[in-house]
Amino acid sequence: AQTVTQSQPEMSVQEAETVTLSCTYDTSESDYYLFWYKQPPSRQMILVIRQEAYKQQNATENRFSVNFQKAAKSFSLKISDSQLGDAAMYFCARGGSQGNLIFGKGTKLSVKP
Amino acid sequence: EAGVAQSPRYKIIEKRQSVAFWCNPISGHATLYWYQQILGQGPKLLIQFQNNGVVDDSQLPKDRFSAERLKGVDSTLKIQPAKLEDSAVYLCASSRGDGYTFGSGTRLTVV
Repeated sequence: AQTVTQSQPEMSVQEAETVTLSCTYDTSESDYYLFWYKQPPSRQMILVIRQEAYKQQNATENRFSVNFQKAAKSFSLKISDSQLGDAAMYFCARGGSQGNLIFGKGTKLSVKP
Repeated sequence: EAGVAQSPRYKIIEKRQSVAFWCNPISGHATLYWYQQILGQGPKLLIQFQNNGVVDDSQLPKDRFSAERLKGVDSTLKIQPAKLEDSAVYLCASSRGDGYTFGSGTRLTVV
C-alpha cells in the first residue's frame, strides 16, 4: 500500500520559535506532488505549501518551508516565527496516480504564548 | 472565486437511517472528490469523479454508500443504511490540474 506517515501525533512550540513536522511517504512513481495542509477547527483544508518531486529546490512560502529528501522519501515542514494562529492539525499528503490526495494521520500543533 | 460549498454542515441520525450530503464544486473544476475523515485520522478518498464519470471508487463501501455527479457539476453522497462507524466528517474537494480546493465538510454523527 502506498502510504504517508506522520510520526508525531502532537507537537508544541513556543510563540516566535521554530518547529519542524515530520513526514515520510511511499511511492513507486518518479514524478509526483507533495503537500502540507492545515486544518483548523473550521474543518476546511488550507494549503500551506506544495512541492513538485522533480524540483530539487525546497519550496518556501513566507514562514513555511520544507526539507524535501527524495531518496529518503522524506518531506518535513518547518514553521519559523510561530504564531498563535498556526495552531491547528497539519496533514502531509502525496498526490496519487489518479490525481487524488493520500493523507497522513496528521500532527496536532499547539502554540504556547 | 467562490469556494466549494457543502451542506448540511452537521447531521445527526440514528443507525439504519439514511442520509445525503451535497457538494457544489468550484465552477470549471472537472474533478470532484469525496473524502471521509474519521476523528483522529487523515481524510480517506471515497470516490473521485472526472466530469460525471467515476475515476476511482475502490474504497467506497458500495453496499451502503452511493454517489452521483449529474451533469458534471453538483454531487451527492448517500449512506443507506448508516452504521455507527460512519460517524465522520465528509469532505468534498474539487480540482483543476494540481490545485485542490476543499469545502468545510459535513460532520455526521450516527447514534
